[in-house]
Amino acid sequence: AAGVIQSPRHLIKEKRETATLKCYPIPRHDTVYWYQQGPGQDPQFLISFYEKMQSDKGSIPDRFSAQQFSDYHSELNMSSLELGDSALYFCASSPGTGSSYNSPLHFGNGTRLTVT
Amino acid sequence: AQSVTQLGSHVSVSEGALVLLRCNYSSSVPPYLFWYVQYPNQGLQLLLKYTSAATLVKGINGFEAEFKKSETSFHLTKPSAHMSDAAEYFCAVSPYYGGSQGNLIFGKGTKLSVKP
Repeated sequence: AAGVIQSPRHLIKEKRETATLKCYPIPRHDTVYWYQQGPGQDPQFLISFYEKMQSDKGSIPDRFSAQQFSDYHSELNMSSLELGDSALYFCASSPGTGSSYNSPLHFGNGTRLTVT
Repeated sequence: AQSVTQLGSHVSVSEGALVLLRCNYSSSVPPYLFWYVQYPNQGLQLLLKYTSAATLVKGINGFEAEFKKSETSFHLTKPSAHMSDAAEYFCAVSPYYGGSQGNLIFGKGTKLSVKP
């Protein structure tokens, strides 16, 4: 079965640079979530989109922005990168029409961002 | 506000022994609860979910969890550990009750080691 695809798998950037992470949800999933997982930490919710509109916002820094496109893929744009942004960034998707018990999140394998 | 607390950041068991990973939740409304497993360098995979139906929930790979409202607990168990169960396990609660799924709030995770 098709899964959530994230690219790139690994990314190395220097401080103050920008980075763009991409997420391709499971076909027919119209809701996308972004999570940040720091080293040894639990995943923290950043932001979500449903039908190309922002549906919820978590602890996403102002330096980050995201959007969902007409084909439902999503991109997380990160500017003025800081050392503390080094983390594993997960994207998850779900069909957004149901409630939690019908549509649990399906996670991608993540993008590991290292800021030097 | 909702939260989950996982007792024990590391749990070590012998192969064939009982696995018990503890999770307590805090919620002002009936919660949706989840257990996810994360293998190294991979995304989170749903093990099982509680959605106010049966209190004993069976998941994949022989895992199950019991929702106990009186104890606000949702502990994960498996009768006999296998080497392949070594991973990190996250308990999570959905902060939305009914309607469309919101983001997940994760516990800090419990790393399970299985000794031969």
